[in-house]
Amino acid sequence: DSGVTQTPKHLITATGQRVTLRCSPRSGDLSVYWYQQSLDQGLQFLIQYYNGEERAKGNILERFSAQQFPDLHSELNLSSLELGDSALYFCASSVDTSSGRAADTQYFGPGTRLTVL
Amino acid sequence: EDQVTQSPEALRLQEGESSSLNCSYTVSGLRGLFWYRQDPGKGPEFLFTLYSAGEEKEKERLKATLTKKESFLHITAPKPEDSATYLCAVYTGGFKTIFGAGTRLFVKA
Repeated sequence: DSGVTQTPKHLITATGQRVTLRCSPRSGDLSVYWYQQSLDQGLQFLIQYYNGEERAKGNILERFSAQQFPDLHSELNLSSLELGDSALYFCASSVDTSSGRAADTQYFGPGTRLTVL
Repeated sequence: EDQVTQSPEALRLQEGESSSLNCSYTVSGLRGLFWYRQDPGKGPEFLFTLYSAGEEKEKERLKATLTKKESFLHITAPKPEDSATYLCAVYTGGFKTIFGAGTRLFVKA
């Protein structure tokens, strides 16, 4: 158990709908990362938040958005869902990757499996 | 363009047969390189973080090394429970994390 929690575990919805995925980081971790893992794409970095502010963006679609709240939990919002959005969505957290030179270890949650029908 | 390439895509070993997995990278400003193990349908499990060329880390049957262009994950005398997908990732100067496609390891008893 990494200490990172994600809800829900499974989500089944229809095309065109909107869903929200939730992530609670490990106690004390300030950074949260979101990833998408599909069979043909591997693990793709979407976005990183540090202490409530966006730090880096990866291959995140405009239909997707995220935020990190004052209590440091994060939510990933996916809208106008398409069949191709079906994937495992992972959240990870790390202690602090602020101005430091090095990378802090990212600990991953168990993921949310999204199925779009 | 930042890129991470893992080889081989799949590796089949007999129990006790040691081998190495490769991760080659091209990135702008490496902050760190990670190795993870992932079982089907589960989240990646952290193994190692390496920061600079020449660094080595060990844990049980696994040893990770880093050069300026690649990293190796050496598996000594593997057991069937080592069967999994091994993922390499780099954390770049621009705070992006880039994963390789992974190596699927199968260890037969």
